Amino acid sequence: AQRVTQPEKLLSVFKGAPVELKCNYSYSGSPELFWYVQYSRQRLQLLLRHISRESIKGFTADLNKGETSFHLKKPFAQEEDSAMYYCALATSGTYKYIFGTGTRLKVLA
Amino acid sequence: SAVISQKPSRDICQRGTSLTIQCQVDSQVTMMFWYRQQPGQSLTLIATANQGSEATYESGFVIDKFPISRPNLTFSTLTVSNMSPEDSSIYLCSVYKGAEAFFGQGTRLTVV
Repeated sequence: AQRVTQPEKLLSVFKGAPVELKCNYSYSGSPELFWYVQYSRQRLQLLLRHISRESIKGFTADLNKGETSFHLKKPFAQEEDSAMYYCALATSGTYKYIFGTGTRLKVLA
Repeated sequence: SAVISQKPSRDICQRGTSLTIQCQVDSQVTMMFWYRQQPGQSLTLIATANQGSEATYESGFVIDKFPISRPNLTFSTLTVSNMSPEDSSIYLCSVYKGAEAFFGQGTRLTVV
């Protein structure tokens, strides 16, 4: 079955500490994986995608096919990183997204 | 990019009634998607709406309950019919453009 799992509902870290938001997926094909973020009172927006291998706002995510993971990392958390983060998988050829349940990141001063 | 406007942003409705949610995009797009986010849960795809054809519904969602219109390449509506409290959710419109999904701000529906 196709599934995206984010095991943590809430993650609290102090400003300047490293952050890792976990995401595991189950998909029989070749996955396209994304991280979406929703800041307070804003709409859901793309943070990064595994294909582009980019770093956005200091965040990176590496696709590990062996572990079927796509964890989101940032070496030094900032207060403005506080938001809801969703890991998503796009099924190939359909553009349909399967979302994880989301992790709320709180960065404490 | 794509900018999506959804109306209404929120509503409180009586059980047994229907609500139509509108989704307007600032550019032409082939595929539009409707998602539901129940309290404390993830986004779940309801259906895919392509212009000029019937919407394609995901398992667990049926046209009688969630009729969708897609009259042109910039607009779609989702109706939540014969509502019950279990339909209380956030409903989101989404489009896929330039290898990225864009989302509306959502419609928060409460059924009493």
